[in-house]
Amino acid sequence: DVKVTQSSRYLVKRTGEKVFLECVQDMDHENMFWYRQDPGLGLRLIYFSYDVKMKEKGDIPEGYSVSREKKERFSLILESASTNQTSMYLCASSLRRVGYEQYFGPGTRLTVT
Amino acid sequence: ELKVEQNPLFLSMQEGKNYTIYCNYSTTSDRLYWYRQDPGKSLESLFVLLSNGAVKQEGRLMASLDTKARLSTLHITAAVHDLSATYFCAVAYYGGATNKLIFGTGTLLAVQP
Repeated sequence: DVKVTQSSRYLVKRTGEKVFLECVQDMDHENMFWYRQDPGLGLRLIYFSYDVKMKEKGDIPEGYSVSREKKERFSLILESASTNQTSMYLCASSLRRVGYEQYFGPGTRLTVT
Repeated sequence: ELKVEQNPLFLSMQEGKNYTIYCNYSTTSDRLYWYRQDPGKSLESLFVLLSNGAVKQEGRLMASLDTKARLSTLHITAAVHDLSATYFCAVAYYGGATNKLIFGTGTLLAVQP
């Protein structure tokens, strides 16, 4: 089974803090994704990566950056957390680049106060 | 860009009844996924539909795809409480460098005893 893990289930941070969310997949998938999920808005793509050190902006990249130094690990960084970044963050991975099934991690519920 | 609309957004139904969730999308695609999300948990893949007329069934859930109408349906037969969850459809979008899945806003299904 594909396993996607995320470093924390719940995080509480203060406004202005730098926040790191980590995601690890164990199936040698090429592609990794970060989404945020908000009520009534569904899943919105923040960033994705189709190879080590490669990244592409999704639909809502503002206020976020990412890092992929190893194939199995994809990090989401909030340089200066703000209250409007309070959300559920979901990481996913897929085998190939083009529209393949994505496997999701358990999610991180981030609260910024 | 591809837009994906689901309806209804919320569905309250009684056990034993049948109902259908609809997923419309705006441009041509060749694969569509249905996911389930239980409260506080991550997304779990249910079905992948790859061609016009494709039908997949698992237990009380049946998904179908009409690529000409750009419509997928998720039909629930004789609902039981265990089916209570949020259901998302996701459509593959091929935008050159930005191939990705576009998710609907989700349908919250509540099955009442």
